[in-house]
Amino acid sequence: DGGITQSPKYLFRKEGQNVTLSCEQNLNHDAMYWYRQDPGQGLRLIYYSHIVNDFQKGDIAEGYSVSREKKESFPLTVTSAQKNPTAFYLCASRFVQGIGSTEAFFGQGTRLTVV
Amino acid sequence: AQSVTQPDIHITVSEGASLELRCNYSYGATPYLFWYVQSPGQGLQLLLKYFSGDTLVQGIKGFEAEFKRSQSSFNLRKPSVHWSDAAEYFCAYFNTGNQFYFGTGTSLTVIP
Repeated sequence: DGGITQSPKYLFRKEGQNVTLSCEQNLNHDAMYWYRQDPGQGLRLIYYSHIVNDFQKGDIAEGYSVSREKKESFPLTVTSAQKNPTAFYLCASRFVQGIGSTEAFFGQGTRLTVV
Repeated sequence: AQSVTQPDIHITVSEGASLELRCNYSYGATPYLFWYVQSPGQGLQLLLKYFSGDTLVQGIKGFEAEFKRSQSSFNLRKPSVHWSDAAEYFCAYFNTGNQFYFGTGTSLTVIP
């Protein structure tokens, strides 16, 4: 079945540690996105990528890093510089076939908790 | 600035009653608008989308939305709500930079 897979579903991090959240898609989508979700704030864009080996910062990129070495994969690293990383993280992907041609498909999310 | 606003943080309706969730956008050109639904601890599922053409769009699960350019709105409606509709609903738009932006969401509670 085609889809977007995020792993792990739950992740615990000690303060000062870097952690990497996985996002894999087998939909042959060009673009991939990372969002952070906090209660009452909706989804905020962290990073996005439209093509392999290229990515752009979203609105809240500080303390995060990404890579896009393969079309199928867009891992997000939450670094120790992110002061408040506890949140629900969502990955999405879509085809790039002109402006607004298709919707974004979402993974099931990773809940990150700092302990 | 481009944005999408959902003025209602939380709505409670009785099962069987009609539902309307509000969404207003601020965007110079013709927007590309979406409604997504999220169950607790889950990802987002697309309900419907508007790109152009007929301003009344039909979606899954009996939902529909109407694009009104004069009011800069894209409200989501359902004639009769079921208990399983309880969830978080997000309005979103897609801009010329290939970025998706989301509203802050409306939480729907359905009472028996």
